[in-house]
Amino acid sequence: GAVVSQHPSWVICKSGTSVKIECRSLDFQATTMFWYRQFPKQSLMLMATSNEGSKATYEQGVEKDKFLINHASLTLSTLTVTSAHPEDSSFYICSARSFNEQFFGPGTRLTVL
Amino acid sequence: ELKVEQNPLFLSMQEGKNYTIYCNYSTTSDRLYWYRQDPGKSLESLFVLLSNGAVKQEGRLMASLDTKARLSTLHITAAVHDLSATYFCAVDSSLGNEKLTFGTGTRLTIIP
Repeated sequence: GAVVSQHPSWVICKSGTSVKIECRSLDFQATTMFWYRQFPKQSLMLMATSNEGSKATYEQGVEKDKFLINHASLTLSTLTVTSAHPEDSSFYICSARSFNEQFFGPGTRLTVL
Repeated sequence: ELKVEQNPLFLSMQEGKNYTIYCNYSTTSDRLYWYRQDPGKSLESLFVLLSNGAVKQEGRLMASLDTKARLSTLHITAAVHDLSATYFCAVDSSLGNEKLTFGTGTRLTIIP
């Protein structure tokens, strides 16, 4: 199947700093990528849809100024958590669709101290 | 708004036994997915079900889809310890936006 990578795998940062997470489709092009957040022992919650060449579409309740998404090419989307706080600590997972299936990245574990 | 419910939320079963996980969803959809997640890991795709009556099997797992009942099942046959994980179903919104709505997840523990 198609491969999606994420970088970094984990990050620890101080409160108030910004963190950028990259999501790449390695062997296919993706005009649309998705960003999810997963808290411990919970399901995945869709945060936003990243659209190549245009603005991201955010789900209700997700602050677009806090979670900046850029989809600059057909293989790369980035999520920047701005002014991170401890409540932003979570597992962030991206996905991209190829044919009828979504392929998920390995996830990025963010811990904000 | 599409809602996806899974039952049970937690399941502990002995090796060798059979069991079924249920996934109900609230609005029309023709695409349903099953994923496995191990602790600390991302999602591994298990099955893609694209039409009413679809049935797929891989090893000890079998998934089916009934779009009229808005129900999918994941059946485990003769469970083994390696199947211990959290299983999620996810439903495509069928609005053309490719968005998935995930179920609550079923944490499965297989006891030797």
